[in-house]
Amino acid sequence: GAGVSQSPRYKVAKRGQDVALRCDPISGHVSLFWYQQALGQGPEFLTYFQNEAQLDKSGLPSDRFFAERPEGSVSTLKIQRTQQEDSAVYLCASSLDGINMNTEAFFGQGTRLTVV
Amino acid sequence: GESVGLHLPTLSVQEGDNSIINCAYSNSASDYFIWYKQESGKGPQFIIDIRSNMDKRQGQRVTVLLNKTVKHLSLQIAATQPGDSAVYFCAENNRGSQGNLIFGKGTKLSVKP
Repeated sequence: GAGVSQSPRYKVAKRGQDVALRCDPISGHVSLFWYQQALGQGPEFLTYFQNEAQLDKSGLPSDRFFAERPEGSVSTLKIQRTQQEDSAVYLCASSLDGINMNTEAFFGQGTRLTVV
Repeated sequence: GESVGLHLPTLSVQEGDNSIINCAYSNSASDYFIWYKQESGKGPQFIIDIRSNMDKRQGQRVTVLLNKTVKHLSLQIAATQPGDSAVYFCAENNRGSQGNLIFGKGTKLSVKP
């Protein structure tokens, strides 16, 4: 497809389990972003990649969260030892180059993570 | 399905009326602003954007107004349609933080046929 694709669409994890969330950006998009959206809230920034370089990870809530984009295309967000407060929708977005008037960021449908 | 709009401020309008959704942003250094529409179970979708050197920008049926003095942003939707029903978020960004969009709390727009 032409859009940002995320998988799985839904994930239920037991507390303490590790999870990996995948994002396939739009082909050719240099920039990739991860956001976390709690129920009833706006998305909150987690991290940003330019190609394979992670330029900003200031939004990652703890060292249990790790993101990578080793070949500058597909990205994986990994959460270790999941906790109930990690339950949220994890959104991935990609753009040609950053976020500005000349380049729009396109969001995927998100992965809904529920930690039980 | 999940409700994006749970506990959000709600604006209810009649089909065909104009809608105005307001947003107060936080950072006076922000120089770029975007309005997103989010339907239940989907990711945010770009509607319209504006730079800080502009006061107004128009798109198809939508207009964004920016008042930097009071750090206020508004989205006007003309002739609102049932398909406009969704949660609307404003987001702000400054040039120094390429990917770090700061989203507002969101407003749920409900269009009555």
